[in-house]
Amino acid sequence: GAVVSQHPSRVICKSGTSVKIECRSLDFQATTMFWYRQFPKQSLMLMATSNEGSKATYEQGVEKDKFLINHASLTLSTLTVTSAHPEDSSFYICSARGRQLWKNTGELFFGEGSRLTVL
Amino acid sequence: QKEVEQDPGPLSVPEGAIVSLNCTYSNSAFQYFMWYRQYSRKGPELLMYTYSSGNKEDGRFTAQVDKSSKYISLFIRDSQPSDSATYLCAMSAVNQGGKLIFGQGTELSVKP
Repeated sequence: GAVVSQHPSRVICKSGTSVKIECRSLDFQATTMFWYRQFPKQSLMLMATSNEGSKATYEQGVEKDKFLINHASLTLSTLTVTSAHPEDSSFYICSARGRQLWKNTGELFFGEGSRLTVL
Repeated sequence: QKEVEQDPGPLSVPEGAIVSLNCTYSNSAFQYFMWYRQYSRKGPELLMYTYSSGNKEDGRFTAQVDKSSKYISLFIRDSQPSDSATYLCAMSAVNQGGKLIFGQGTELSVKP
């Protein structure tokens, strides 16, 4: 099956620094990637949708200047948490779908997630 | 009211039991219904996918969708300790471009 690789799996940083998380589709071309955030014991909340080569679409309440998303190629999207603060500590998960995958099954493939801890 | 409601549990059952997990939803435009399993500290993995109403069976797992009641279920037969995880329902409408709305997730523990 399709594989989505997310890196790093765990990151600890100091308050005020920026952190970049990468999401790669390994065996398919991801036309669309989604970034979710999951707090402990809570569900996944969509942060933004990114289409290759265009600006990301952010969900209401998500600061686009704080969570920078770049989808420069069909296999890579990045999420940069700028000037991170302790309240940004969370589990960030990307998902991806390719044109063919969506047509056949409607499913998304998820990365393993990145746990961010801001001290 | 949330678009998707799911009892967070936790749900604890003995090994071999039949498990029933459920979600209700309010958006009648949802057409795609999915169940994901998430182990601790991992990303979700797709278990079952159903388009529109009906039943779908895959091994010990059965997914049911009742669009008239806006209610979906996942049944796990002969549950195993390895089934212990959080189960999330997720839904999407045709015009939402793949955006999934998730339930809160139900934490399941299967005791040997």
